[in-house]
Amino acid sequence: QVQLQQWGAGLLKPSETLSLTCAVYGGSFSGYYWSWIRQPPGKGLEWIGEINHSGSTNYNPSLKSRVTISVDTSKNQFSLKLSSVTAADTAVYYCARRWRITIFGVVTQNWFDPWGQGTLVTVSS
Amino acid sequence: EIVMTQSPATLSVSPGERATLSCRASQSVSSNLAWYQQKPGQAPRLLIYGASTRATGIPARFSGSGSGTEFTLTISSLQSEDFAVYYCQQSGAFGQGTKVEIK
Repeated sequence: QVQLQQWGAGLLKPSETLSLTCAVYGGSFSGYYWSWIRQPPGKGLEWIGEINHSGSTNYNPSLKSRVTISVDTSKNQFSLKLSSVTAADTAVYYCARRWRITIFGVVTQNWFDPWGQGTLVTVSS
Repeated sequence: EIVMTQSPATLSVSPGERATLSCRASQSVSSNLAWYQQKPGQAPRLLIYGASTRATGIPARFSGSGSGTEFTLTISSLQSEDFAVYYCQQSGAFGQGTKVEIK
């Protein structure tokens, strides 16, 4: 059974760079997209972006200018960097495996499972 | 960009009763929709994918239906552990969530 374990700094100052890493245990790393999703306190879920084992990425347009997602296939890990953080970036950040079903190149189904345990990142001066 | 809208924001239900949650997509997504349950302090848990397929280990009291732009998650007989927030998701878009609380 696949498990995701994530870690990273939990307290940042404005303008710093958020950095989180997620390790994948117990399953195949290839064949999936690996995502980051965040949730501000008391609010809903926001997809940040994703990467596959080949390094192909997709980002949320609203965050694209500040986000970099990278992969280390030798360690079955992927990482998130979010630059120039502000208080608005305070959130619980989750990593998750994204399943995609494609037919003739068109994504017909997709969902996130499993999820990491979450990391609270607080941005405060 | 597809927008997912859930209703109601809060649903008050007594244990043992049926709960019906709605999710609407701003354009047709066929059956490409998933549902998640989130309890306080926990990561979301996948319940339903493909609009109606239960994920592994999910009890049969959870069912999903719909296609196109209108979707429903039904919990046939609410158990104490089912009081939580529920989200729908299509691609990179999540609904804002429906909180199911004890009446």
